[in-house]
Amino acid sequence: NAGVTQTPKFQVLKTGQSMTLQCAQDMNHNSMYWYRQDPGMGLRLIYYSASEGTTDKGEVPNGYNVSRLNKREFSLRLESAAPSQTSVYFCASEFAGVVETQYFGPGTRLLVL
Amino acid sequence: GENVEQHPSTLSVQEGDSAVIKCTYSDSASNYFPWYKQELGKGPQLIIDIRSNVGEKKDQRIAVTLNKTAKHFSLHITETQPEDSAVYFCAASMGMGTSYDKVIFGPGTSLSVIP
Repeated sequence: NAGVTQTPKFQVLKTGQSMTLQCAQDMNHNSMYWYRQDPGMGLRLIYYSASEGTTDKGEVPNGYNVSRLNKREFSLRLESAAPSQTSVYFCASEFAGVVETQYFGPGTRLLVL
Repeated sequence: GENVEQHPSTLSVQEGDSAVIKCTYSDSASNYFPWYKQELGKGPQLIIDIRSNVGEKKDQRIAVTLNKTAKHFSLHITETQPEDSAVYFCAASMGMGTSYDKVIFGPGTSLSVIP
């Protein structure tokens, strides 16, 4: 039982390049989330997926897209990376989606030059 | 919308002393308050949580208190140890009653326990 896994762990991009951050969970959770973490700002929600086949915008969705590929996997795509997207990205999953504990992956550190 | 403030932003304590981190929230509809610990290079991990129908909860050396009237909640760590050094996040959630659990995080407190 690996919990929540994320790939890659670290990535450097040039402005304008695209990439996809992968997330998978093996806990049979319904809901999955993508957050970004910036110094002094806590965790901010980018997108979430309440269940397989559905996705919705969070607090800071601009510049990102997501895909809930199946119940296990939730990917985050940067179509044209910008320096402002330099951050640490965390994926999280949750069983029921209603006032339950979220379990976080180890994070992806992204640097956009 | 909900806003969560957290103080202090940094905290240093001697090993064995107690540490207290305080958070306030703005939306009285919030009903679930988790605390996460984030060690260097890792993702946040839940350490304790409290729901709005309870005023205090304790788990060994950590405890959380909730004052719904004042809209603030606190994390208390007693007999601190070096391995307690980490960034701690408080959060507030409303449990929308739908399939979306909107969680708002505080900015974090960096705790250093000095041996």
